[in-house]
Amino acid sequence: GAGVSQSPSNKVTEKGKDVELRCDPISGHTALYWYRQSLGQGLEFLIYFQGNSAPDKSGLPSDRFSAERTGGSVSTLTIQRTQQEDSAVYLCASRAIQGASKAKNIQYFGAGTRLSVL
Amino acid sequence: EDKVVQSPLSLVVHEGDTVTLNCSYEVTNFRSLLWYKQEKKAPTFLFMLTSSGIEKKSGRLSSILDKKELSSILNITATQTGDSAIYLCSQIQGAQKLVFGQGTRLTINP
Repeated sequence: GAGVSQSPSNKVTEKGKDVELRCDPISGHTALYWYRQSLGQGLEFLIYFQGNSAPDKSGLPSDRFSAERTGGSVSTLTIQRTQQEDSAVYLCASRAIQGASKAKNIQYFGAGTRLSVL
Repeated sequence: EDKVVQSPLSLVVHEGDTVTLNCSYEVTNFRSLLWYKQEKKAPTFLFMLTSSGIEKKSGRLSSILDKKELSSILNITATQTGDSAIYLCSQIQGAQKLVFGQGTRLTINP
């Protein structure tokens, strides 16, 4: 697609429920990242995918958080048994790993999913 | 993990003013520093600064990297209301993940 697409744009859920957030990266981008932005905070790294594998999961805050990527394209971030502190904007970014040096270093972001846990 | 610190956290100016946003980083092996503008949700790319290129310019916006001071500034001249946004400074670390500062919320009043 033309840009990184995320859905839903907004999600309101009750504490204890599971949620799934979806990211569709720019076509041809093999690197995919998830970040979280809590109110008034900068972006916090969660997980990085290269193709379908996740060589860096160091930012996932607990074992309630998991992510997968299939077909080297769409990725899903799942939060189980949501807690109020999970409320944040979840942003996805993708990056090309081939091409000009500059282009390979730029991550392009989606508009994010605003998650509210009541 | 190396830390990125931005200042000020918030800035309010009048249209036409010039602003300077600051970013400092701690790094052992510097790779690149990236500036993004976030108006609603999606951060949009502004500049990438590497050790081989210490200044970038695009219209009214420019950015400079000071490798000795481990810092960068983002300048905006003749500000417009459309420049109102959160400006994010980030540094590439590890497997190309970005480590971000807290951001500077810039408000331009007419």
